[in-house]
Amino acid sequence: DVKVTQSSRYLVKRTGEKVFLECVQDMDHENMFWYRQDPGLGLRLIYFSYDVKMKEKGDIPEGYSVSREKKERFSLILESASTNQTSMYLCASSSRGHRDTLAGVRTGELFFGEGSRLTVL
Amino acid sequence: AQSVTQLGSHVSVSEGALVLLRCNYSSSVPPYLFWYVQYPNQGLQLLLKYTTGATLVKGINGFEAEFKKSETSFHLTKPSAHMSDAAEYFCAVSNAGGTSYGKLTFGQGTILTVHP
Repeated sequence: DVKVTQSSRYLVKRTGEKVFLECVQDMDHENMFWYRQDPGLGLRLIYFSYDVKMKEKGDIPEGYSVSREKKERFSLILESASTNQTSMYLCASSSRGHRDTLAGVRTGELFFGEGSRLTVL
Repeated sequence: AQSVTQLGSHVSVSEGALVLLRCNYSSSVPPYLFWYVQYPNQGLQLLLKYTTGATLVKGINGFEAEFKKSETSFHLTKPSAHMSDAAEYFCAVSNAGGTSYGKLTFGQGTILTVHP
């Protein structure tokens, strides 16, 4: 089974602190994603990466950066945390499609970690 | 561009009743469609997905969804609700290729409450 592990389930930080959220997947997936989840807004994409050292902005990248130095690890960085970044952060990964279970069909199914709930005071 | 609208942020049903969660999408290319479920304090788990072929898709825990292209809909149903179905459900859409492959756009979520 695919396992996506987020390093911290709960974090409390102060305004202005630098915050690192780590995510590791063990299925050799090419694609990795960071989403933010807020009540009534669903999941919004912050950044994604489709290869090592590659990254693309999602829908709400402001105030965030990412790092992907190794294929299995994708880090989300808040350079200077603010109270409006209090949220649930979800990491996900997916294969590029060559090994999807439906033969010959690429699905882009995402596999999620359990989430990191960040509170910024 | 693609988008997803889930009609109803909260749905409440009695145990044993029909569950219907509505999802409409917008996509400029043939979509892949997904339903995910999130139990409290957990990540998202895939319920079912539509890619190509049969438009009625069956998933885990007795859920199913029907892709209706003419209505741009992908509603989720279950004939008989169980208490364990109480969770938040997310509909999502993605395109099938390009550098944005696998990038899902999610709806706002629907919280399902099941009453005894």
